[in-house]
Amino acid sequence: ETGVTQTPRHLVMGMTNKKSLKCEQHLGHNAMYWYKQSAKKPLELMFVYSLEERVENNSVPSRFSPECPNSSHLFLHLHTLQPEDSALYLCASSQERGNANEKLFFGSGTQLSVL
Amino acid sequence: GDSVTQMEGPVTLSEEAFLTINCTYTATGYPSLFWYVQYPGEGLQLLLKATKADDKGSNKGFEATYRKETTSFHLEKGSVQVSDSAVYFCALFDNYGQNFVFGPGTRLSVLP
Repeated sequence: ETGVTQTPRHLVMGMTNKKSLKCEQHLGHNAMYWYKQSAKKPLELMFVYSLEERVENNSVPSRFSPECPNSSHLFLHLHTLQPEDSALYLCASSQERGNANEKLFFGSGTQLSVL
Repeated sequence: GDSVTQMEGPVTLSEEAFLTINCTYTATGYPSLFWYVQYPGEGLQLLLKATKADDKGSNKGFEATYRKETTSFHLEKGSVQVSDSAVYFCALFDNYGQNFVFGPGTRLSVLP
């Protein structure tokens, strides 16, 4: 148990659906992240929030929309996804962003399948 | 930009065999280097790290040495166990972008 909880664990959705992924941490961390894990590709950083403010958006398509209502919660809203968006979506947190001495704490991920 | 390359898996070994997973990186300057491990059904967790050249990180019998001259950070363990079966990710901290950059991961399967 890393202290970072993601729900749901599995999600199957059609290309016209709208769904949301949820991440919660009670570690008192100030930075939260969304990563995409696809087979045989580097872990891809999607979004970074620091103190509830988005500080990085790595050219992610607009069909992915993040939301950070407070320092403990992070959402990823999904709409009109494509089959190639099927992947494991990981949430992570750290005490602060931009510090090489920080350790990232990851959730177990949401396995997303887009049909 | 900075990047990390790892040997392609899967790597399959028998219990008590010697393990090496190769990792090389491309970066501006001298980044901190990390190995993260992902056990089945779980998120990634930090295994070990090294912050400067010639540093050796170690944890749970795993070791990796920061080699500046070859830009490498290979992971080794002298005797693997079935419980070491997992996906191993090499990573660096991009000092310019202030983010962690991960490799694609290497899946290790240890057979009894």
